[in-house]
Amino acid sequence: QVQLVESGGGVVQPGRSLRLSCAVSGFTFSTYGMHWVRQAPGKGLEWLAVISYDGNNKYYAESVQGRFTISRDNSKNTLYLQMNSLRPEDTAVFYCATAYRSGQDAFDIWGQGTMVTVSS
Amino acid sequence: QSALTQPASVSGSPGQSITISCTGTSSDIGGYKYVSWYQQHPGKVPKLLVYEVSNRPSGVPNRFSGSKSGNTASLTISGLRAEDEADYYCSSYTTSSTLIFGGGTKLTVL
Repeated sequence: QVQLVESGGGVVQPGRSLRLSCAVSGFTFSTYGMHWVRQAPGKGLEWLAVISYDGNNKYYAESVQGRFTISRDNSKNTLYLQMNSLRPEDTAVFYCATAYRSGQDAFDIWGQGTMVTVSS
Repeated sequence: QSALTQPASVSGSPGQSITISCTGTSSDIGGYKYVSWYQQHPGKVPKLLVYEVSNRPSGVPNRFSGSKSGNTASLTISGLRAEDEADYYCSSYTTSSTLIFGGGTKLTVL
């Protein structure tokens, strides 16, 4: 079945880096744009980044532009989020998501999320 | 870019109808048909309710409906049920080729 599984979360000190992964199964990964969304504890959803199906186009939220990098490896059916210069306010559950059978940029498939805690 | 504006909370009794608004600008909601709505129960992953302003994914009851007028989108839930108590988020595509979410609305079923 269609499944997204995030990994790579954990506790990291401010200023350090972390790379999240999102393993995809059940559909042709290489034909879908993919997104990262986060949710800080007790807060709302925040869209972070999108990458086109072929990896050639990437867009970011202003809040992470220049610090976070989205990438993908279609041969491994895996999406990544490289996070640098992490700040305490980056503490959140990070989700990967995609518009599988819905309209453009409407996420009908989400991963279960991976928690990132930025703390000294 | 600031989040789309949603009321922090709305409430209604079982069987009633409620509407949640989502206000943006001509650079997002007003400029595109790519408005979506999500439902999130505590501790759960968001669930897509509406896409492209008014379309429902398979399996979403027709009690949930979406619309848009100018820079404001709306989600209406009719025949309110206890299980509808959750947080609701709108989202929209933007002129920067990015997405933006609303701040979220907590629905309480009285």
